[in-house]
Amino acid sequence: QKEVEQDPGPLSVPEGAIVSLNCTYSNSAFQYFMWYRQYSRKGPELLMYTYSSGNKEDGRFTAQVDKSSKYISLFIRDSQPSDSATYLCAMSITGANSKLTFGKGITLSVRP
Amino acid sequence: NAGVMQNPRHLVRRRGQEARLRCSPMKGHSHVYWYRQLPEEGLKFMVYLQKENIIDESGMPKERFSAEFPKEGPSILRIQQVVRGDSAAYFCASSPGGGRGANVLTFGAGSRLTVL
Repeated sequence: QKEVEQDPGPLSVPEGAIVSLNCTYSNSAFQYFMWYRQYSRKGPELLMYTYSSGNKEDGRFTAQVDKSSKYISLFIRDSQPSDSATYLCAMSITGANSKLTFGKGITLSVRP
Repeated sequence: NAGVMQNPRHLVRRRGQEARLRCSPMKGHSHVYWYRQLPEEGLKFMVYLQKENIIDESGMPKERFSAEFPKEGPSILRIQQVVRGDSAAYFCASSPGGGRGANVLTFGAGSRLTVL
């Protein structure tokens, strides 16, 4: 079993739709959870960063962490064509100076 | 304020040659990470370095790969005697180090290695 599993996609939605992206993980030591967005031929950029369980909202984006289920989600409201990208979940055990373990990524396409 | 700078952006090598990839971290960042992204795969951790020290190289292949981050100059990822399976995008990331939140990484645009 991989440490981090992410729905493989790809995912195609109409503009304005609510998008739900999910990851599961097996290592209960993970405490820090991130979502990165990667446009084609570019480096990943950080979207959301959360510590432990709970919700975090930033504009149209909401990140949820359920440590009891080892499950994290990213919700995108009112999706836009500019949201079309690959979304990668990532997690780490400590908050400082440690490697991130990434999911495979899911490619999202938002149709105008 | 330049971000993480990687060069070359694209590199083509023949089997058996050497590849050198360079990474200059963000200003003020003293911690560097290298990740590899194979087609249809996520980012895989390779190595974590601070100035003049390798902190974690658990993701580095045992042979042909090495990394350094000297006191002066960029971090270098070196691949000797490249094989076709080394073809991938190699991403460098940096962080300021320190307390909680220091594992928030800023990534460069990547170096894409093609081995013929």
